[in-house]
Amino acid sequence: DSGVTQTPKHLITATGQRVTLRCSPRSGDLSVYWYQQSLDQGLQFLIQYYNGEERAKGNILERFSAQQFPDLHSELNLSSLELGDSALYFCASSVGGSLSADSPLHFGNGTRLTVT
Amino acid sequence: EDKVVQSPLSLVVHEGDTVTLNCSYEVTNFRSLLWYKQEKKAPTFLFMLTSSGIEKKSGRLSSILDKKELFSILNITATQTGDSAVYLCAVDTGNQFYFGTGTSLTVIP
Repeated sequence: DSGVTQTPKHLITATGQRVTLRCSPRSGDLSVYWYQQSLDQGLQFLIQYYNGEERAKGNILERFSAQQFPDLHSELNLSSLELGDSALYFCASSVGGSLSADSPLHFGNGTRLTVT
Repeated sequence: EDKVVQSPLSLVVHEGDTVTLNCSYEVTNFRSLLWYKQEKKAPTFLFMLTSSGIEKKSGRLSSILDKKELFSILNITATQTGDSAVYLCAVDTGNQFYFGTGTSLTVIP
C-alpha cells in the first residue's frame, strides 16, 4: 500500500459528461501528480501541484483541469468527455516539489474511466 | 521532442533466467532516471539513477545508467514468477516526467 488513495476506482460515463477524480496523497507529501495511462501510450504526465500551487504542466487538455486544496488532496476534473478519454488515471505524490532518491513518486491504484 | 524508449516491448522467460531490460532517452534536460514495476495497478518505485556507472542493487534487481550513451539497463537475475509485471522507465527533466511505454515481462514456471 503506497498510502496514496484515489476514488472512485471505476467510473463509467457517457460522452459529453463531466467527472471529478479525487486523490489523497501520502501523509506528509506536498506534491501531487496526475497521469493518464492508455493502452497504446503508456503513462502521460498531465499536471503537478506542490503545496496548493501548480508546479508543472504536461500534456493536459484544455477540457481537463485540476486543483490541490489546503488539506493537500487534489481533484482532476474532466469535462466534455470523449471516447478517447477512456483510460486509467493515476495520481502520485512525493514529499518535495522535485524528485530525489529520498522523495520518489508513490502511485495510487488509479481510477479507471470508461466513456461510452 | 523529449522521449523515452524501452525495449523489448515484451519478454517471456522461464524461472531462473536472467533478463536485461533497456531504456534509452533523448531529453533536453536530464535530472534523473527512474525504474518502476507495475503489476496490476499502481507502479511501485524500484530505483532512481542520477550518476553514470554507479550500480544500484536491490536483491536480484540491479540497474545502471550511462549518461554518455543515454541509456539505462535493469537486470533481473534468477527470475521468479512474481517478477512478472510491466517495468516502466521514466526520465525526470525537472519540468516533467517522461515515461516509456514499458516492457512486459512474463516469467513462466
